[in-house]
Amino acid sequence: GAVVSQHPSRVICKSGTSVKIECRSLDFQATTMFWYRQFPKKSLMLMATSNEGSKATYEQGVEKDKFLINHASLTLSTLTVTSAHPEDSSFYICSARNVVRSTDTQYFGPGTRLTVL
Amino acid sequence: AQSVSQHNHHVILSEAASLELGCNYSYGGTVNLFWYVQYPGQHLQLLLKYFSGDPLVKGIKGFEAEFIKSKFSFNLRKPSVQWSDTAEYFCAVTARGNNRLAFGKGNQVVVIP
Repeated sequence: GAVVSQHPSRVICKSGTSVKIECRSLDFQATTMFWYRQFPKKSLMLMATSNEGSKATYEQGVEKDKFLINHASLTLSTLTVTSAHPEDSSFYICSARNVVRSTDTQYFGPGTRLTVL
Repeated sequence: AQSVSQHNHHVILSEAASLELGCNYSYGGTVNLFWYVQYPGQHLQLLLKYFSGDPLVKGIKGFEAEFIKSKFSFNLRKPSVQWSDTAEYFCAVTARGNNRLAFGKGNQVVVIP
């Protein structure tokens, strides 16, 4: 149980285009999902908290107009990188929060490698 | 806000050696503690977690971690590693009532056959 998928796994796009990444919880409902960036040889950086049916909460320094988050259902959150630039190239990882029997755990997707040319 | 520190980013050891990875956090309140593992080319997987109760937590694949509240630590251990334990290990913390995970920078562990 507690499987999270992401699509696509890899994407290459031209500078100035927008890219949408999907995150799905496959076997549980997640009212909260999270989006992270992982830089080479560095830890995960939380970008935003995605709440089902309401606006996402962004971390300091993350542009909400550039990284659009939609959490339209209990099993799906999407991250859209708008007008992507080479500096947006990164590994984007989502997680979904599963609250079961008073233990609150995040389960992670496999990540999406974004390369902006 | 809570923060997490992991030392010795790169660890190289031989099979059957014992492994201990340190994790210290800074937060004065009640915390939930996690270790995640990322095998090469794979996604983050939960190794073990501590919420309450016995401070010695046993996880998958023979790993265990001990929560020492007085030292703000949650060190990960495995008595005898295998080549398949080669991976990156991340310690993470949430403050109780706040579901935002704070990650350490990770330990890259390489086990030589």
